[in-house]
Amino acid sequence: DTAVSQTPKYLVTQMGNDKSIKCEQNLGHDTMYWYKQDSKKFLKIMFSYNNKELIINETVPNRFSPKSPDKAHLNLHINSLELGDSAVYFCASTVGETQYFGPGTRLLVL
Amino acid sequence: DQQVKQNSPSLSVQEGRISILNCDYTNSMFDYFLWYKKYPAEGPTFLISISSIKDKNEDGRFTVFLNKSAKHLSLHIVPSQPGDSAVYFCAASKGGNSGYALNFGKGTSLLVTP
Repeated sequence: DTAVSQTPKYLVTQMGNDKSIKCEQNLGHDTMYWYKQDSKKFLKIMFSYNNKELIINETVPNRFSPKSPDKAHLNLHINSLELGDSAVYFCASTVGETQYFGPGTRLLVL
Repeated sequence: DQQVKQNSPSLSVQEGRISILNCDYTNSMFDYFLWYKKYPAEGPTFLISISSIKDKNEDGRFTVFLNKSAKHLSLHIVPSQPGDSAVYFCAASKGGNSGYALNFGKGTSLLVTP
């Protein structure tokens, strides 16, 4: 009965590879987000989708591309991974102002 | 530029006492404030929130106070319990067309000792 789930939980990959992280929510929420927590533990918004439409796109390299096949899913695809992409990525969803977070995906780029 | 600041990276409190976690913000457009609790290797868990039209919100042992003129909010935990040991994040949003994106502080690590 997990509300917001992410796969995989851990991802270790080489520089230059392309990888995807998946997010699913079963809360019936309309809006989903991706946040990045960097090495300094600072959580920052990356993207937001409302009903499959992009509504927030912060200054994120265009190597990052979110995709929302339906309102319960928001996947994050990353091309040409760089060392600086190593971080924890959190998915979240909301129907109002309170956001509910997934467990995070720990990405390590070697 | 960081619009939400938690200036105490850590706090240690004895079990049964009050824990007070502080948060300051710079953007006067923020109208909704939240506290999240985070354990290692888990996602942030929503704890309590407050709208800018209020100055206090209480939920069990947790109370959030908002001082809009000072752009300051605080989270009080009374009485503190060892299970409260975690990192606490303050967050703020502007609502409306901003898509409710949360602006987070860097967190305060709370340790409650028996």
